[in-house]
Amino acid sequence: DVKVTQSSRYLVKRTGEKVFLECVQDMDHENMFWYRQDPGLGLRLIYFSYDVKMKEKGDIPEGYSVSREKKERFSLILESASTNQTSMYLCASRPGEHYNEQFFGPGTRLTVL
Amino acid sequence: QKEVEQDPGPLSVPEGAIVSLNCTYSNSAFQYFMWYRQYSRKGPELLMYTYSSGNKEDGRFTAQVDKSSKYISLFIRDSQPSDSATYLCAMSHQAGTALIFGKGTTLSVSS
Repeated sequence: DVKVTQSSRYLVKRTGEKVFLECVQDMDHENMFWYRQDPGLGLRLIYFSYDVKMKEKGDIPEGYSVSREKKERFSLILESASTNQTSMYLCASRPGEHYNEQFFGPGTRLTVL
Repeated sequence: QKEVEQDPGPLSVPEGAIVSLNCTYSNSAFQYFMWYRQYSRKGPELLMYTYSSGNKEDGRFTAQVDKSSKYISLFIRDSQPSDSATYLCAMSHQAGTALIFGKGTTLSVSS
């Protein structure tokens, strides 16, 4: 089974803090994704990565950056957290560019005070 | 018009009922269709994956795609309380491209 893990289930941070969300997959998948999920807005793609050191902006990249130094790990960085970044953050992985199915982690519920 | 429309519900049914969950879409190029199930405070898990038109069955679950009507459905037979979750449809037009998600339908099955 594909396993995607996220570093924290729940996180509380203060406005202006730098926040790191970590995601690790154990199936040697090439592609990885970061989404946020908000009531009434559904899943929105923040960033994705086709391979190590590669990244592409999704639909809502503002206020976020990412890092992929190793194939299994994809980090989402909130440079200066704001209250409107309070959300559920979901990481997903996909075997490669010839596939469609994405496999999700359990999510990190981030609250910014 | 949004690319993918999904009634948010909530949908409440008694145990044993047949449930029908639906999505409509506007992009006729979509060919790959998925259904995800998401329990409260958890990540989505892939439930069904179909390519192009037709039906696919897996146990109590049947996924149906009608490309001529741009309409996909997920049927759940003999629904159980453990089926209570939010169901998300997702689709793409080409392998390897971004998935477009519906906003999800919340289902509650009461015993």
